[in-house]
Amino acid sequence: AQRVTQPEKLLSVFKGAPVELKCNYSYSGSPELFWYVQYSRQRLQLLLRHISRESIKGFTADLNKGETSFHLKKPFAQEEDSAMYYCALSGISGNTPLVFGKGTRLSVIA
Amino acid sequence: GAGVSQTPSNKVTEKGKYVELRCDPISGHTALYWYRQSLGQGPEFLIYFQGTGAADDSGLPNDRFFAVRPEGSVSTLKIQRTERGDSAVYLCASSLDPVRGYTFGSGTRLTVV
Repeated sequence: AQRVTQPEKLLSVFKGAPVELKCNYSYSGSPELFWYVQYSRQRLQLLLRHISRESIKGFTADLNKGETSFHLKKPFAQEEDSAMYYCALSGISGNTPLVFGKGTRLSVIA
Repeated sequence: GAGVSQTPSNKVTEKGKYVELRCDPISGHTALYWYRQSLGQGPEFLIYFQGTGAADDSGLPNDRFFAVRPEGSVSTLKIQRTERGDSAVYLCASSLDPVRGYTFGSGTRLTVV
């Protein structure tokens, strides 16, 4: 069964501190992994996807197949990073609908 | 349009009534998805269209829920005999290439009283 686990409901960090939002998954096969973000009063939007190996707004995420993890990291948190973050997976080539985790609320304290 | 449009943004209905929720995807996006999000939860998959046909409806909770996309663009999610447990935000998303991610609408907040 496909499952995405985000163990932290809430993560509070000080501005300038490093951030790591945890994501573990369960999938029989090779999944595509994504991070989505929802800022206050805005719609859910794609932050980054593992296949592109990109850094968006200073965030990166590395797929660790051995640990079945896809943690989201940023070296220096900014106040504008405060939002809900959702980890999600789909089948290879996006051939199955996204399965989302329950989300982690990141709060960056000035 | 420039983005995914969902109407209405809010809907309050009485228990037992029928409701329709509309999604207007980005022009040219062949894949369309419906999700439901309850308070404190992540989006939960309901149904997925590729073109006009439902490619996967395994997430529909029961036969009170039905969705159509007759011309391969606009989709309507229909809920019969609404129950209080149906109260949630219903999200629609579309995609041209799912591996590149989805574009979400702002959702319809359904409240059943």
